[in-house]
Amino acid sequence: TQLLEQSPQFLSIQEGENLTVYCNSSSVFSSLQWYRQEPGEGPVLLVTVVTGGEVKKLKRLTFQFGDARKDSSLHITAAQPGDTGLYLCAGFYYTNAGKSTFGDGTTLTVKP
Amino acid sequence: GAGVSQSPSNKVTEKGKDVELRCDPISGHTALYWYRQSLGQGLEFLIYFQGNSAPDKSGLPSDRFSAERTGGSVSTLTIQRTQQEDSAVYLCASSFQTYEQYFGPGTRLTVT
Repeated sequence: TQLLEQSPQFLSIQEGENLTVYCNSSSVFSSLQWYRQEPGEGPVLLVTVVTGGEVKKLKRLTFQFGDARKDSSLHITAAQPGDTGLYLCAGFYYTNAGKSTFGDGTTLTVKP
Repeated sequence: GAGVSQSPSNKVTEKGKDVELRCDPISGHTALYWYRQSLGQGLEFLIYFQGNSAPDKSGLPSDRFSAERTGGSVSTLTIQRTQQEDSAVYLCASSFQTYEQYFGPGTRLTVT
């Protein structure tokens, strides 16, 4: 069974601060996705990382896939209240019957 | 284009009654997933369809839960003899490439 651990579980910061959330596993993944979920809505795909060591930027969000493709991080620069939500990572491996493994999520609150 | 839609958006039912939850995936998406999410928690995998077949039913909590997909499109999740512990948000997702999932807004089920 492939497991993904996210940390921290909860994070509350002030607007303008930087933060990093982590997604770790002992398993290797073919790709890893990050999603953001706002209250009352379904998760929305933010990014997919595929190559070990890959870094992708989406405005103030920077995503990194570990060299061994077992872990990933999400860094947010100058957080804004609109970044508030549940951040989920999901790992995919082709032999896992087409199913992604989701972490339990990091709940981020950005206070104005 | 249209995203994933789910109906109803909210469902309140009495303990012991059966409920049907519907998911309309994005047109052309061959994979369809059902998840359950309790308040403030991560996603609990229920079942995965590739076309009309379900390679992985491992997440269904009990034999009271069943799902089908017809015509490679619409899917229905049925819960028989509902219990209070079934109260949660039920999320559906579809994908073309199985690792990038597009979620619907969910159905909030409350069992009284």
